[in-house]
Amino acid sequence: QVLLQESGPGLVKPSETLSLTCGVSGDSIISGTYYWGWIRQPPGKGLEWIATIYYSGSTYYNPSLKSRLTISVDTSNNEFSLRLSSVTAADTAVYYCARQRGLRRGLDPWGQGALVTVSS
Amino acid sequence: QSVLTQPPSASGTPGQRVTISCSGRGSNIGSNTVNWYQQFPGAAPKLLIYSDNERPSGVPDRFSGSRSGTSASLAISGLQSDDEADYYCAAWDDSLNGLYVFGTGTKVTVL
Repeated sequence: QVLLQESGPGLVKPSETLSLTCGVSGDSIISGTYYWGWIRQPPGKGLEWIATIYYSGSTYYNPSLKSRLTISVDTSNNEFSLRLSSVTAADTAVYYCARQRGLRRGLDPWGQGALVTVSS
Repeated sequence: QSVLTQPPSASGTPGQRVTISCSGRGSNIGSNTVNWYQQFPGAAPKLLIYSDNERPSGVPDRFSGSRSGTSASLAISGLQSDDEADYYCAAWDDSLNGLYVFGTGTKVTVL
């Protein structure tokens, strides 16, 4: 059974950098079968794709966030990470990580999500 | 930033068939397959349909999907109270350098 778990600070100050990590168990990121993605959902709103990464380091970013985004993969620890800089209140959301068979394929499974609040 | 349009709500009585539409454009639904997600309050989304009409293991065959032109739809037959949830369509969009786009979401209510 594949499990994904997000971890990171739940509170970030405006203008600072949001950092999250997704730990993967039950599958190996370096298997090359899947891509690994980040998605967010502001409270009471819909889903927004943030970015996707392949184990080789190939990255795909949401153009609206690209200038503030960095995603990376740590194959030794079987995890991947997200860094979003210069955050504002608009970045307050539940952040999910998920596995993806291909860029055009479905995201499955998802982590349970991590609420990140941007506030001073 | 959703570029896929869904009705905000849909409803039906137990046993009925409910259909949710998802409207896009040539760069997304017109060129790529559609995935559907189900989300209960306070929970992570779950993949319900992939590649237009394929169901992951464990998803009942009451759920079905289709795609035609720049639109797609999700049908729930034999509606059950457990189906009350939010549903999102999604697809890859070939515009810009490519991005994965979600629909606006549809809240299904079982009357």
